[in-house]
Amino acid sequence: DTGVSQNPRHKITKRGQNVTFRCDPISEHNRLYWYRQTLGQGPEFLTYFQNEAQLEKSRLLSDRFSAERPKGSFSTLEIQRTEQGDSAMYLCASSSLDRDAASTGELFFGEGSRLTVL
Amino acid sequence: QKEVEQDPGPLSVPEGAIVSLNCTYSNSAFQYFMWYRQYSRKGPELLMYTYSSGNKEDGRFTAQVDKSSKYISLFIRDSQPSDSATYLCAMRANAGGTSYGKLTFGQGTILTVHP
Repeated sequence: DTGVSQNPRHKITKRGQNVTFRCDPISEHNRLYWYRQTLGQGPEFLTYFQNEAQLEKSRLLSDRFSAERPKGSFSTLEIQRTEQGDSAMYLCASSSLDRDAASTGELFFGEGSRLTVL
Repeated sequence: QKEVEQDPGPLSVPEGAIVSLNCTYSNSAFQYFMWYRQYSRKGPELLMYTYSSGNKEDGRFTAQVDKSSKYISLFIRDSQPSDSATYLCAMRANAGGTSYGKLTFGQGTILTVHP
């Protein structure tokens, strides 16, 4: 399978604990995005990487959230001191700069990591 | 007010019906318009893509964009039970500059096509 891979698929944690999600994008894609989707809502942009550089962060990304993409390959999203309001599906997507230049705008999404904070 | 507004439905139609899904938006910088389909507990997948105003047809699906009215539509003809999913409109500005190609999504419309 050469699609976007996310792990774990589901994480249940207690309030105050730290959690980390991993995303492995499509190998030739240099753009990587994290989105958050709550029940009944569309995905909301969190942050964007071009290669290893984090170029944009949404205001939704509080100080408790940190994302990295070492060496421009996989990415991790860590949430510290989780709160019940953090419960959501965290979606990772990747795209190719070249394909964006061709203007399809297609983001390839993974199946998401669902977080439940008790 | 959200940049992209989409009626969440839910929408329930009989098999074979024509389905119309719509979104309105407020950001004039949006130039690329997409419809994603999301099955339960799955990630969104691209269904249709349109640049600027106009129509695009792909099989049973037709996407329309009216930039003057800031209004986009997706029509599904001869709907099938397998079309049952959440349909998300999404749009973006140019891939360059500070938009970085990121998409802004609507809320999603839940569609059920019953046999």
